[in-house]
Amino acid sequence: GAVVSQHPSRVICKSGTSVKIECRSLDFQATTMFWYRQFPKQSLMLMATSNEGSKATYEQGVEKDKFLINHASLTLSTLTVTSAHPEDSSFYICSAKNRGENTEAFFGQGTRLTVV
Amino acid sequence: AQKVTQAQTEISVVEKEDVTLDCVYETRDTTYYLFWYKQPPSGELVFLIRRNSFDEQNEISGRYSWNFQKSTSSFNFTITASQVVDSAVYFCALRMTTDSWGKLQFGAGTQVVVTP
Repeated sequence: GAVVSQHPSRVICKSGTSVKIECRSLDFQATTMFWYRQFPKQSLMLMATSNEGSKATYEQGVEKDKFLINHASLTLSTLTVTSAHPEDSSFYICSAKNRGENTEAFFGQGTRLTVV
Repeated sequence: AQKVTQAQTEISVVEKEDVTLDCVYETRDTTYYLFWYKQPPSGELVFLIRRNSFDEQNEISGRYSWNFQKSTSSFNFTITASQVVDSAVYFCALRMTTDSWGKLQFGAGTQVVVTP
């Protein structure tokens, strides 16, 4: 149980285009999901908290218009990188909290985004 | 504010050697959770352990062991008789009990390289 799936695992896009990354909880319901970003050889930084049915909460310094988050159902959150630029190239990883349990969130396998 | 410090950037060992990864944290809260995750080259985060601030018992799981010293704000991780498959980046993380389960403060990570 407690499987979180991210799609795609890798994506290459052209500068100026938008890219959507999906995070799904496969066997549990997640009212809250979390999006992290990891630059090469660096740590993971929380970008935003995604709340089902309401607006996401962004961390300081994260542009909400750049990184659009939608959490339309209890099993799916999406992160859209709008008008992507090479500096947006990074590893994006989500985690999901099982709403029925008081335990840690579970991580997806991550998405490696390369903007060319 | 909370902070997690992993001072060791990279540790290289030969197979069968033991390796200890240091983690020092800072927080003003009295209740919190500490975590260790493994990130292999494929990128996914593998959960290793969670420890709450009230539980200072050391833990052993197979070749892994953890030493939690609240007095020195440290939560060190030892891999005994290392194997090549242990090569990965290891992250220590902190979660405040006032924060959501998915909101983690990660350390910078320690790259472990195990050579045959």
